Amino acid sequence: KAGVTQTPRYLIKTRGQQVTLSCSPISGHRSVSWYQQTPGQGLQFLFEYFSETQRNKGNFPGRFSGRQFSNSRSEMNVSTLELGDSALYLCASSFGGATTDTQYFGPGTRLTVL
Amino acid sequence: DAKTTQPTSMDCAEGRAANLPCNHSTISGNEYVYWYRQIHSQGPQYIIHGLKNNETNEMASLIITEDRKSSTLILPHATLRDTAVYYCIVRASNTGNQFYFGTGTSLTVIP
Repeated sequence: KAGVTQTPRYLIKTRGQQVTLSCSPISGHRSVSWYQQTPGQGLQFLFEYFSETQRNKGNFPGRFSGRQFSNSRSEMNVSTLELGDSALYLCASSFGGATTDTQYFGPGTRLTVL
Repeated sequence: DAKTTQPTSMDCAEGRAANLPCNHSTISGNEYVYWYRQIHSQGPQYIIHGLKNNETNEMASLIITEDRKSSTLILPHATLRDTAVYYCIVRASNTGNQFYFGTGTSLTVIP
């Protein structure tokens, strides 16, 4: 079974631009969560989508948004990029997000903001 | 919101068992303990999880104390490829079942 895929793997943007990252979950998984990882803050939860609805949200500004499509693929968007948005963005998928559902992570998208 | 405490770093000799401790003294009765590891700049990899019984799979064993306030992940025969950051996570239903990662333990397996 194919794992979680993320595109692109690497991205370079400049301040003020916006960016869209894509995540394709494992087949059959309906929950997709997004995380930001930086050296200073570690791995932080951004938001989770389940059946095209945002179900949970972390403590990030409104510049960070996402959506999920009917095939469970998800995108996240960051508008008005700041230098501090440089990070590894990870998505993880699971069947439904229940307590015993294991999340499987993709390889991440490395975003560099110049 | 990480509710776990782990040592910052540990070393282990290749071929020996690696025992990674985790304290989760505020864990509630319905909260699971999960372990993930992350090899440099890759996505975290699921290892094992448990509620109150000890668990074993092809990768590792998870020993949870009877009071559930701490646990130990055991890699029975560490190899160089086990060098990674290991995260112990308490997954709570009151936070939407999300994973809140702490700082983890950086395990270095020494030849």
